[in-house]
Amino acid sequence: LAKTTQPISMDSYEGQEVNITCSHNNIATNDYITWYQQFPSQGPRFIIQGYKTKVTNEVASLFIPADRKSSTLSLPRVSLSDTAVYYCLVGDMRANSGGYQKVTFGTGTKLQVIP
Amino acid sequence: NAGVTQTPKFRVLKTGQSMTLLCAQDMNHEYMYWYRQDPGMGLRLIHYSVGEGTTAKGEVPDGYNVSRLKKQNFLLGLESAAPSQTSVYFCASRTGTSGSNEQFFGPGTRLTVL
Repeated sequence: LAKTTQPISMDSYEGQEVNITCSHNNIATNDYITWYQQFPSQGPRFIIQGYKTKVTNEVASLFIPADRKSSTLSLPRVSLSDTAVYYCLVGDMRANSGGYQKVTFGTGTKLQVIP
Repeated sequence: NAGVTQTPKFRVLKTGQSMTLLCAQDMNHEYMYWYRQDPGMGLRLIHYSVGEGTTAKGEVPDGYNVSRLKKQNFLLGLESAAPSQTSVYFCASRTGTSGSNEQFFGPGTRLTVL
């Protein structure tokens, strides 16, 4: 079971780039890295997923070094609406693995964006 | 396309009472999950299902039962509610495609057990 470690909280000013790093030292060969965002009183929302190197979509980038023992979620030019909890998950996503039965959300990183 | 819906949104139970939480998805997803989230904590997996008619235990299954009689529905039952089950319950679903691990979450059910 791949355990993840993230900072408990982070503060950032509006317009800045925010990088949240997640450590997962015992990541397995078949594990993918996924990040979710959760606003208060809502279910988590998928942000981005990756296996290695760099992945970018319209809202974020995910950087994964060659050893895959950590990953960094990068949010460009954050706004107040990005204030949320961000979760890093590591899990086996093969079709017959049952998905998230071996994944935990942990406590996440609470990002506070300041005006 | 409603995505994932949960019924009810709020519920208050007395210790020992039973209830069923309903999760429905209209995306034809194979996998469905039930999580609980306690204040200030992350989500913990209770039970999950990889397809119609199948269920399996997650991280914290004790005190809960589930059923997946129809592909689109995943029911979570509490046979004898306890105050320790006071929590917010989230249902999620995802496609069974390999490598696709985006889960779609419902809005949650806030349960209080007195």
